[in-house]
Amino acid sequence: KQEVTQIPAALSVPEGENLVLNCSFTDSAIYNLQWFRQDPGKGLTSLLLIQSSQREQTSGRLNASLDKSSGRSTLYIAASQPGDSATYLCAFYNTDKLIFGTGTRLQVFP
Amino acid sequence: DAGVIQSPRHEVTEMGQEVTLRCKPISGHDYLFWYRQTMMRGLELLIYFNNNVPIDDSGMPEDRFSAKMPNASFSTLKIQPSEPRDSAVYFCASSPSGTSHIQYFGAGTRLSVL
Repeated sequence: KQEVTQIPAALSVPEGENLVLNCSFTDSAIYNLQWFRQDPGKGLTSLLLIQSSQREQTSGRLNASLDKSSGRSTLYIAASQPGDSATYLCAFYNTDKLIFGTGTRLQVFP
Repeated sequence: DAGVIQSPRHEVTEMGQEVTLRCKPISGHDYLFWYRQTMMRGLELLIYFNNNVPIDDSGMPEDRFSAKMPNASFSTLKIQPSEPRDSAVYFCASSPSGTSHIQYFGAGTRLSVL
Protein backbone atom coordinates (compact mmCIF):
# COMPACT_ATOMS: atom_id res chain seq x y z
CA LYS A 1 0.00 0.00 0.00
CA GLN A 2 1.31 3.43 -0.95
CA GLU A 3 2.21 5.60 2.03
CA VAL A 4 3.05 9.26 1.63
CA THR A 5 4.89 11.17 4.35
CA GLN A 6 5.62 14.86 4.53
CA ILE A 7 8.36 16.41 6.63
CA PRO A 8 8.28 18.66 8.53
CA ALA A 9 4.72 18.53 9.80
CA ALA A 10 4.89 22.23 10.71
CA LEU A 11 7.24 25.07 9.90
CA SER A 12 7.43 28.68 11.08
CA VAL A 13 9.88 31.03 9.39
CA PRO A 14 10.51 34.78 8.97
CA GLU A 15 9.64 36.43 5.73
CA GLY A 16 12.26 36.21 2.97
CA GLU A 17 13.62 32.75 3.73
CA ASN A 18 13.96 30.07 1.08
CA LEU A 19 12.11 26.89 2.09
CA VAL A 20 12.19 23.21 1.23
CA LEU A 21 9.23 20.97 1.94
CA ASN A 22 9.75 17.24 1.65
CA CYS A 23 7.48 14.45 0.52
CA SER A 24 8.40 10.76 0.46
CA PHE A 25 6.51 7.75 -0.86
CA THR A 26 6.94 4.00 -0.57
CA ASP A 27 5.87 2.79 -4.00
CA SER A 28 7.98 3.96 -6.95
CA ALA A 29 5.32 2.81 -9.42
CA ILE A 30 3.60 6.16 -9.40
CA TYR A 31 2.18 8.06 -12.32
CA ASN A 32 2.18 11.77 -11.68
CA LEU A 33 2.68 14.03 -8.68
CA GLN A 34 0.70 17.07 -7.66
CA TRP A 35 1.41 19.71 -5.02
CA PHE A 36 -1.53 21.52 -3.44
CA ARG A 37 -2.04 24.43 -1.12
CA GLN A 38 -4.90 24.52 1.41
CA ASP A 39 -5.89 27.66 3.28
CA PRO A 40 -7.82 27.31 6.57
CA GLY A 41 -11.46 26.50 5.94
CA LYS A 42 -10.93 26.38 2.20
CA GLY A 43 -10.56 23.78 -0.51
CA LEU A 44 -7.35 22.71 -2.21
CA THR A 45 -5.60 24.76 -4.87
CA SER A 46 -3.29 22.99 -7.28
CA LEU A 47 0.19 24.50 -7.42
CA LEU A 48 2.21 22.21 -9.68
CA LEU A 49 1.72 18.95 -11.56
CA ILE A 50 4.79 16.87 -12.44
CA GLN A 51 4.36 14.14 -15.02
CA SER A 52 6.09 10.86 -14.21
CA SER A 53 8.52 11.39 -17.09
CA GLN A 54 9.53 14.81 -15.80
CA ARG A 55 11.93 15.65 -13.00
CA GLU A 56 10.72 19.12 -12.06
CA GLN A 57 8.24 21.90 -12.67
CA THR A 58 8.47 25.61 -11.92
CA SER A 59 5.84 28.26 -11.38
CA GLY A 60 6.96 31.68 -10.19
CA ARG A 61 8.68 31.31 -6.82
CA LEU A 62 7.79 27.62 -6.63
CA ASN A 63 9.84 24.71 -7.90
CA ALA A 64 8.90 21.08 -7.42
CA SER A 65 11.12 18.10 -8.16
CA LEU A 66 10.43 14.39 -8.44
CA ASP A 67 12.94 11.57 -7.92
CA LYS A 68 11.15 8.26 -8.37
CA SER A 69 14.25 6.17 -7.68
CA SER A 70 14.63 7.58 -4.19
CA GLY A 71 10.91 7.92 -3.57
CA ARG A 72 11.05 11.65 -2.91
CA SER A 73 9.62 14.95 -4.04
CA THR A 74 10.52 18.41 -2.80
CA LEU A 75 8.75 21.74 -3.05
CA TYR A 76 11.07 24.72 -3.00
CA ILE A 77 9.63 28.14 -2.11
CA ALA A 78 11.90 31.08 -2.83
CA ALA A 79 11.79 34.34 -0.88
CA SER A 80 8.84 33.32 1.28
CA GLN A 81 6.06 35.83 2.04
CA PRO A 82 3.35 35.97 4.74
CA GLY A 83 0.82 35.19 2.00
CA ASP A 84 2.48 31.78 1.56
CA SER A 85 1.17 30.72 4.98
CA ALA A 86 -1.00 27.65 4.42
CA THR A 87 -0.89 23.86 4.54
CA TYR A 88 0.96 22.25 1.64
CA LEU A 89 0.00 18.77 0.50
CA CYS A 90 1.69 16.45 -1.96
CA ALA A 91 -0.31 13.77 -3.71
CA PHE A 92 0.57 10.90 -6.01
CA TYR A 93 -1.54 9.46 -8.73
CA ASN A 94 -2.15 5.75 -8.57
CA THR A 95 -3.90 5.25 -11.92
CA ASP A 96 -6.71 7.82 -11.63
CA LYS A 97 -6.63 8.09 -7.84
CA LEU A 98 -4.79 10.68 -5.79
CA ILE A 99 -3.08 9.50 -2.61
CA PHE A 100 -2.37 12.40 -0.30
CA GLY A 101 0.48 13.06 2.06
CA THR A 102 0.06 14.15 5.66
CA GLY A 103 0.72 17.83 4.90
CA THR A 104 3.12 20.54 6.08
CA ARG A 105 1.61 23.53 7.89
CA LEU A 106 3.65 26.62 6.99
CA GLN A 107 3.59 29.96 8.75
CA VAL A 108 5.61 32.87 7.40
CA PHE A 109 5.74 35.84 9.75
CA PRO A 110 6.67 39.42 8.83
CA ASP B 1 -16.38 28.85 -15.21
CA ALA B 2 -17.40 29.06 -11.54
CA GLY B 3 -15.34 26.05 -10.57
CA VAL B 4 -16.53 23.04 -8.61
CA ILE B 5 -19.56 23.99 -6.54
CA GLN B 6 -20.51 22.17 -3.36
CA SER B 7 -23.54 22.60 -1.15
CA PRO B 8 -24.19 23.10 1.63
CA ARG B 9 -21.00 24.67 2.96
CA HIS B 10 -21.88 23.67 6.50
CA GLU B 11 -24.22 20.99 7.79
CA VAL B 12 -25.08 20.25 11.39
CA THR B 13 -27.31 17.29 12.06
CA GLU B 14 -28.18 14.84 14.77
CA MET B 15 -27.08 11.25 14.90
CA GLY B 16 -29.35 8.97 12.91
CA GLN B 17 -30.45 11.60 10.42
CA GLU B 18 -29.92 11.36 6.68
CA VAL B 19 -27.38 13.74 5.18
CA THR B 20 -27.05 14.59 1.48
CA LEU B 21 -24.08 16.48 0.12
CA ARG B 22 -24.16 17.91 -3.38
CA CYS B 23 -21.58 18.67 -6.04
CA LYS B 24 -21.60 20.35 -9.42
CA PRO B 25 -18.37 19.64 -11.34
CA ILE B 26 -16.73 21.92 -13.87
CA SER B 27 -18.50 21.66 -17.19
CA GLY B 28 -16.75 19.30 -19.59
CA HIS B 29 -14.85 17.38 -16.93
CA ASP B 30 -15.20 13.61 -17.27
CA TYR B 31 -14.01 12.65 -13.78
CA LEU B 32 -15.57 13.40 -10.42
CA PHE B 33 -14.06 12.53 -7.04
CA TRP B 34 -15.40 12.56 -3.49
CA TYR B 35 -12.89 12.95 -0.63
CA ARG B 36 -13.13 13.13 3.15
CA GLN B 37 -10.71 15.08 5.34
CA THR B 38 -10.24 14.53 9.07
CA MET B 39 -7.48 15.43 11.49
CA MET B 40 -6.77 11.79 12.23
CA ARG B 41 -6.74 10.34 8.71
CA GLY B 42 -6.03 13.33 6.47
CA LEU B 43 -7.52 13.37 2.98
CA GLU B 44 -9.00 10.10 1.76
CA LEU B 45 -10.63 9.24 -1.53
CA LEU B 46 -14.11 7.81 -1.02
CA ILE B 47 -15.30 7.16 -4.60
CA TYR B 48 -14.79 8.44 -8.10
CA PHE B 49 -16.78 8.48 -11.33
CA ASN B 50 -15.78 8.53 -14.98
CA ASN B 51 -18.47 9.68 -17.40
CA ASN B 52 -21.08 9.32 -14.63
CA VAL B 53 -20.14 5.70 -13.93
CA PRO B 54 -18.68 4.74 -10.52
CA ILE B 55 -15.20 3.33 -11.12
CA ASP B 56 -13.80 2.73 -7.64
CA ASP B 57 -15.77 2.88 -4.41
CA SER B 58 -13.26 0.99 -2.28
CA GLY B 59 -12.80 4.04 -0.06
CA MET B 60 -16.44 4.23 0.98
CA PRO B 61 -16.30 3.39 4.70
CA GLU B 62 -19.46 1.33 4.96
CA ASP B 63 -22.92 0.71 3.59
CA ARG B 64 -24.26 3.83 5.26
CA PHE B 65 -22.48 5.81 2.54
CA SER B 66 -23.71 5.97 -1.03
CA ALA B 67 -22.92 8.20 -4.01
CA LYS B 68 -24.68 8.84 -7.27
CA MET B 69 -24.04 10.79 -10.43
CA PRO B 70 -27.31 10.94 -12.39
CA ASN B 71 -25.84 13.23 -15.03
CA ALA B 72 -22.62 14.96 -16.01
CA SER B 73 -23.39 18.09 -14.01
CA PHE B 74 -24.48 16.73 -10.65
CA SER B 75 -23.43 14.25 -7.98
CA THR B 76 -24.59 13.45 -4.45
CA LEU B 77 -22.99 11.78 -1.47
CA LYS B 78 -25.51 10.44 1.02
CA ILE B 79 -25.00 9.19 4.57
CA GLN B 80 -27.88 7.27 6.13
CA PRO B 81 -27.98 7.02 9.09
CA SER B 82 -25.31 9.52 10.10
CA GLU B 83 -23.03 8.97 13.12
CA PRO B 84 -20.76 11.35 15.08
CA ARG B 85 -17.65 9.71 13.58
CA ASP B 86 -18.80 10.88 10.15
CA SER B 87 -18.01 14.46 11.17
CA ALA B 88 -15.43 15.73 8.69
CA VAL B 89 -14.96 18.03 5.72
CA TYR B 90 -16.13 16.42 2.49
CA PHE B 91 -14.59 17.62 -0.77
CA CYS B 92 -15.66 17.11 -4.33
CA ALA B 93 -13.15 17.45 -7.18
CA SER B 94 -13.34 17.17 -10.94
CA SER B 95 -10.81 16.62 -13.69
CA PRO B 96 -10.94 16.75 -17.49
CA SER B 97 -9.17 13.41 -17.62
CA GLY B 98 -7.32 10.94 -15.45
CA THR B 99 -3.75 10.92 -14.31
CA SER B 100 -2.43 13.52 -16.71
CA HIS B 101 -4.63 16.33 -15.54
CA ILE B 102 -4.99 18.50 -12.50
CA GLN B 103 -7.89 17.89 -10.15
CA TYR B 104 -9.92 20.95 -9.25
CA PHE B 105 -11.43 21.00 -5.78
CA GLY B 106 -14.59 22.54 -4.41
CA ALA B 107 -14.63 24.54 -1.18
CA GLY B 108 -15.91 21.54 0.78
CA THR B 109 -18.83 20.78 3.08
CA ARG B 110 -18.10 20.79 6.80
CA LEU B 111 -20.33 18.16 8.39
CA SER B 112 -20.96 17.97 12.12
CA VAL B 113 -23.00 15.07 13.45
CA LEU B 114 -24.07 15.59 17.05
